[in-house]
Formats: sequence, C-alpha cells, structure tokens
Amino acid sequence: AQSVAQPEDQVNVAEGNPLTVKCTYSVSGNPYLFWYVQYPNRGLQFLLKYITGDNLVKGSYGFEAEFNKSQTSFHLKKPSALVSDSALYFCAVRDNTNAGKSTFGDGTTLTVKP
Amino acid sequence: ETGVTQTPRHLVMGMTNKKSLKCEQHLGHNAMYWYKQSAKKPLELMFVYSLEERVENNSVPSRFSPECPNSSHLFLHLHTLQPEDSALYLCASSQGLAESYEQYFGPGTRLTVT
Repeated sequence: AQSVAQPEDQVNVAEGNPLTVKCTYSVSGNPYLFWYVQYPNRGLQFLLKYITGDNLVKGSYGFEAEFNKSQTSFHLKKPSALVSDSALYFCAVRDNTNAGKSTFGDGTTLTVKP
Repeated sequence: ETGVTQTPRHLVMGMTNKKSLKCEQHLGHNAMYWYKQSAKKPLELMFVYSLEERVENNSVPSRFSPECPNSSHLFLHLHTLQPEDSALYLCASSQGLAESYEQYFGPGTRLTVT
C-alpha cells in the first residue's frame, strides 16, 4: 500500500520570501515522488520528480524538492516566492510494486501575498 | 498545455441523460487515465489504460463506462448519473505505466448533474 500526506491545507508566504510545501509518504517498495501544481480551472501540471540519484531535485519555475529517505519526506521549496506561484500543489507517489497507480496527497493551497 | 485536450470543458446533464467526455493526447504516450476531482476530496483514480487495454478499474460504478479506441483517444461514457457525481473529471497520459513516468493532465471537464 502507498500513501501520501500533505499536513498543511494552506501555506501563506510573502512575496520574495522562501516557501516550503510539505509532503511525507509511505510505500512498500522504492518511492518515485512527484510534485504537480494546479491553477484555477486548469488540470494538474508536472513540476518535478525524484526517481533516484541526487536528493535535491530541480524542476520548473525555480522549484526544487528535497528527498529525505530517513524522514520519508519530499518537501517542495522555492528560495523566493512570486505572487504567480499562488496555486494548489499536489504531492504524488508511485512505487515499483504498483505500476500504473499514483497516489496523490490532498493538496496544499499556496498563497503568496505582495 | 495543449498536449492533452478534453471536451467539453463544461457539461450540465440531468440524471436520465447519456453523454460522453472526450480526451485526446498529442504526446505519443501509451498510457491514459481518468481521474475524478471533487471539492475537499483527494484525486480519485478511476480507470487506467495501457496500449488501449484497461489495466485498472478502481471500483467505479457501472454508470461510468470508459472506452479507449486507440492510444491517443480516451472516452468516458456517462449514463443515469447521480448528483454526487458532479465533479471535475481529469484525463491524463504518461509515456507508459512504469513508476518513473510523470503524468500530463488535460484541463478537465466540469460536470454538473442536476
């Protein structure tokens, strides 16, 4: 069984400040971790993924995420937030024992205030 | 954004109607998915197709009937729906079913059942 938790429904940050959106996971096999973003009235957009290798993964729009195996976490980060980053963010996991099936977190709404 | 298209974008239907949702991917992918996104609920995987063959049916009621005539097109046929079926229906595709592949989503069809 696999699961994902996004402990915060809402994250508020000021423009220019660093942001972190948290994600923890549970899988039976090796984890394959993803972040997606959803803007209003749009589908989900892929941001970045961790497959193997470096624990720090860089993705689109200046986002990055850090894989921490001991803490089973994959937090999304950005050094300097923009107002346009305001959106709904989803963490997802797939493992190598359940090919084809992604499990998504409940989502975290990020609001960046000017 | 134009890699996966969905029509219609909005649909209002009565409980006795029959309608179909259409999804088309222009990415050359081999796997396609239907998801249901309801307010305040996690993203629910409904169906998975790989090379036009259904590989996952996630305990979805029979009033939802998928069809995948080729690897580029996916349909969701709807009949005798219930008001609780009102939601955003998202189509997605990926290169394959392997756990390392990210998914690309369409903009969704906003369905309202009256």
